[in-house]
Amino acid sequence: DGGITQSPKYLFRKEGQNVTLSCEQNLNHDAMYWYRQDPGQGLRLIYYSQIVNDFQKGDIAEGYSVSREKKESFPLTVTSAQKNPTAFYLCASSQNTEAFFGQGTRLTVV
Amino acid sequence: AQSVTQLDSQVPVFEEAPVELRCNYSSSVSVYLFWYVQYPNQGLQLLLKYLSGSTLVKGINGFEAEFNKSQTSFHLRKPSVHISDTAEYFCAVSLGGVNFNKFYFGSGTKLNVKP
Repeated sequence: DGGITQSPKYLFRKEGQNVTLSCEQNLNHDAMYWYRQDPGQGLRLIYYSQIVNDFQKGDIAEGYSVSREKKESFPLTVTSAQKNPTAFYLCASSQNTEAFFGQGTRLTVV
Repeated sequence: AQSVTQLDSQVPVFEEAPVELRCNYSSSVSVYLFWYVQYPNQGLQLLLKYLSGSTLVKGINGFEAEFNKSQTSFHLRKPSVHISDTAEYFCAVSLGGVNFNKFYFGSGTKLNVKP
């Protein structure tokens, strides 16, 4: 089945450690996105990529980094510079008009 | 700049009653409009979308929405809700570029259906 796979579903990390969230899609979509979700704030765009080897900062990119070396993959690294990393992270892809979402990764920093 | 406002953060309703979830947007250009549903600890699932044509859009699970250009609204409705409709609902807009879309989301409305 075509879709977007995020892993892991739950992730725990110690404060000060970098952590990488995986996002893979087999929909053959050019565009991919990372969103952060906090209670009562909806989805906020962290980074997006329109094509392989290209990506752009979204509204809250500070403390995050991404890469897009393959069309299918768009990993997100949460660095130690991110002041409040505990959140639910959603990856999405789109082709033309609709965005398709993964099941999310809940990151908890202790 | 584009923005999406969902006026109600929570909507309680009894089972089999009708419900309307409100969404207003601001944009200086034409947009595409979407409603997504999210169940706890899951991703977002598309309920319905408006791209062009008829302003009344029907989606999955008996939901529908009406695009009102003059009021810049895209309210979601269901004539009779079920317990299983309890979830969070997000309104979204995109600019509808030829090859790329940037999506903007509202803050969400939690629908709580009571027996």
